[in-house]
Amino acid sequence: GQNIDQPTEMTATEGAIVQINCTYQTSGFNGLFWYQQHAGEAPTFLSYNVLDGLEEKGRFSSFLSRSKGYSYLLLKELQMKDSASYLCAAIDSNYQLIWGAGTKLIIKP
Amino acid sequence: GAVVSQHPSWVICKSGTSVKIECRSLDFQATTMFWYRQFPKQSLMLMATSNEGSKATYEQGVEKDKFLINHASLTLSTLTVTSAHPEDSSFYICSASPAEQSAYEQYFGPGTRLTVT
Repeated sequence: GQNIDQPTEMTATEGAIVQINCTYQTSGFNGLFWYQQHAGEAPTFLSYNVLDGLEEKGRFSSFLSRSKGYSYLLLKELQMKDSASYLCAAIDSNYQLIWGAGTKLIIKP
Repeated sequence: GAVVSQHPSWVICKSGTSVKIECRSLDFQATTMFWYRQFPKQSLMLMATSNEGSKATYEQGVEKDKFLINHASLTLSTLTVTSAHPEDSSFYICSASPAEQSAYEQYFGPGTRLTVT
């Protein structure tokens, strides 16, 4: 079966760095997304990786290792507004999005 | 650009009644629209995929006679929850894609919070 695993919840301190991991098992692979979702709102796009390596975009970076079926989202200089759920989603061989359950990130002052 | 709207943003209805939720792509034509359901503290669950002018494709376990989807134009899709029950209370989110390979380019609506009493 197809599966996306990510931690349920993480806590970090304002100003610090946090890494949210995601492992995936899919039938084929055509890329991986990270989305941010604030409570009661729709997801918003953060990043897309299809090649191995690190993609940096401001305070947020996303890493992919296709051989390990592994990705992480790195958030630097954490701000209180970064408190949200972070969803990992992989595209399978049928170009369907397989969603993880999301990681709730709690930022403390 | 790439704005998707949903209406209503929240609705409360009585058990046994039907509720219609609209999803509109405001500034692009959506080849494909998706309907998701999200329960508290859970991830998005794809309910169905619809292409303009054709019948929606429902995911396994989703009752197509209960969740009626109409995609009459390239900018509008509707989800009707028929004979709603309290267990249908959830956050319903639509997304729209202008792309042939829709998984690569999805724009989400703001969601509709449905409460069935």
